[in-house]
Amino acid sequence: SQKIEQNSEALNIQEGKTATLTCNYTNYSPAYLQWYRQDPGRGPVFLLLIRENEKEKRKERLKVTFDTTLKQSLFHITASQPADSATYLCYNNNDMRFGAGTRLTVKP
Amino acid sequence: EAGVAQSPRYKIIEKRQSVAFWCNPISGHATLYWYQQILGQGPKLLIQFQNNGVVDDSQLPKDRFSAERLKGVDSTLKIQPAKLEDSAVYLCASSLGFGANSPLHFGNGTRLTVT
Repeated sequence: SQKIEQNSEALNIQEGKTATLTCNYTNYSPAYLQWYRQDPGRGPVFLLLIRENEKEKRKERLKVTFDTTLKQSLFHITASQPADSATYLCYNNNDMRFGAGTRLTVKP
Repeated sequence: EAGVAQSPRYKIIEKRQSVAFWCNPISGHATLYWYQQILGQGPKLLIQFQNNGVVDDSQLPKDRFSAERLKGVDSTLKIQPAKLEDSAVYLCASSLGFGANSPLHFGNGTRLTVT
């Protein structure tokens, strides 16, 4: 069955730097990948969706890429701020599976 | 628009007791999901409804978990009897339809502690 893996449990970066989070998948290529943000004690909030035939998607300081050869999606936050600190989850639309999430901490 | 409403916010029960969670999705959203999120893990799908019919319940432990969505709107998830390993946050989500163009909208969940 499909497996969604996020490469690290925690990522710590300095304010102003670019945060890069990775989502890897096994087996077949999902037609779509979604990225969500989750704050402590809250449900996940949808951020961006990227389709298999799209290389890149942007929304303000957020950018998502999709590489079907590497079976990987990268999620970037540019000019990061302490308010970006949260857990970020990738989600495979095909089988409704989430990755374990990466906890991002942006230090001032 | 009003978001997904869930209650209660917290629940503490002893093992072998029963518990029920309630979810009111966003108005007009045909698809409703229940997810279980254990601490440090991503949400795991338990059951998906399309209107009041079940689309996927393959990961629902049916010997102890049950869910219903009467009239295609509100939904309840029940656990009977609860086990220690059921301690988790139970998240309800809804979407307008099904597929990529229908992202999930989540409630803030019910945190269940089984002692």
